[in-house]
Amino acid sequence: QQQVKQSPQSLIVQKGGIPIINCAYENTAFDYFPWYQQFPGKGPALLIAIRPDVSEKKEGRFTISFNKSAKQFSLHIMDSQPGDSATYFCAASKNSGYSTLTFGKGTMLLVSP
Amino acid sequence: DVKVTQSSRYLVKRTGEKVFLECVQDMDHENMFWYRQDPGLGLRLIYFSYDVKMKEKGDIPEGYSVSREKKERFSLILESASTNQTSMYLCASNGSPESYEQYFGPGTRLTVT
Repeated sequence: QQQVKQSPQSLIVQKGGIPIINCAYENTAFDYFPWYQQFPGKGPALLIAIRPDVSEKKEGRFTISFNKSAKQFSLHIMDSQPGDSATYFCAASKNSGYSTLTFGKGTMLLVSP
Repeated sequence: DVKVTQSSRYLVKRTGEKVFLECVQDMDHENMFWYRQDPGLGLRLIYFSYDVKMKEKGDIPEGYSVSREKKERFSLILESASTNQTSMYLCASNGSPESYEQYFGPGTRLTVT
């Protein structure tokens, strides 16, 4: 049972474009929704995260939009740059005390110059 | 700056061998995690540990075991390696139940022939 569904699997945009990556979850006990960014040869690193009490969070060029009723959240990258080319994972966690994360399958983003 | 290190970046083992993957974190974190990453499948949790000598199964524990004798070190053990365990293995740590952020190591690419 896949608890966090992520789409698309891959995405190509031109520099300056706004790639959007979508995730949907099923478990209403989830209360923390992070996005991780992974460059080739590196481990994933936390990019931005949101809790369900807000509908949007911005950090620099990265924005999470959250729709609690639809159980969906998305990552938007404003003014995308070639350096943003990476694999992006959405994830979700519930307050179990152990901070375990359930990850989506990932989106490979390529920003062309 | 949090640092999670993994003993090997690349490892080649034969079917049936016992394999040890080591992970060390330098931030006195309580929680440590082992994931495997496969193309199109994202990150899947194998085991995690919330204290020394304490461990919990993740989503795909079959064929694996773990050891945590010291707080900073978390080992993943493949008792009898099989070809379907060829994968990228990622270790992560987390500091507290209030912070869900996980810090990842660079990964070990294991090939079982």
